[in-house]
Amino acid sequence: GAVVSQHPSWVICKSGTSVKIECRSLDFQATTMFWYRQFPKQSLMLMATSNEGSKATYEQGVEKDKFLINHASLTLSTLTVTSAHPEDSSFYICSASPSADTQYFGPGTRLTVL
Amino acid sequence: KQEVTQIPAALSVPEGENLVLNCSFTDSAIYNLQWFRQDPGKGLTSLLLIQSSQREQTSGRLNASLDKSSGRSTLYIAASQPGDSATYLCAVRDSGYALNFGKGTSLLVTP
Repeated sequence: GAVVSQHPSWVICKSGTSVKIECRSLDFQATTMFWYRQFPKQSLMLMATSNEGSKATYEQGVEKDKFLINHASLTLSTLTVTSAHPEDSSFYICSASPSADTQYFGPGTRLTVL
Repeated sequence: KQEVTQIPAALSVPEGENLVLNCSFTDSAIYNLQWFRQDPGKGLTSLLLIQSSQREQTSGRLNASLDKSSGRSTLYIAASQPGDSATYLCAVRDSGYALNFGKGTSLLVTP
């Protein structure tokens, strides 16, 4: 149990295009989901916290107009990278939280912007 | 802001050795601390979760300790195996939901 999926697992896109990444909790409901970003050999950096049915809370320095987060249901959150640029290339990981004590992580999405 | 540091950044040991990974954090007012494993290009697998009121947790060959007052945690791996090769991440949860991660220790266990 407690499986979180991400789609796609990797994506390559041209500069200026938008990319949507999905995060799904497959066998539980998650009122809260988190989006992290990880650069090579760096730690995971929290980008935003999303709660079902409300606006996401973004961490300082994260552009909310560039990284659009939607948490439309208790099992799905999406991250859209708008007008992607090469510096947005990174590994994006989501986690889903069914309770205060627990987070389950997705397998990650590798984004490469050419 | 909570800062989490992991030492060493990389470690290479021969199979069978016992080893210790270190994690330190700057704000001792934590809710819990968690150790994760990350394989290359993959997501995170939770290994051990220690609540702030606990001193240690054990799972198989893994033992994690927590000294909240000094802001330190260690992950002890007994009888290491090549399959243990991965990056080990320490993450601290403070008052909010989100986790604060260290940069990880990259472990290589050679046959």
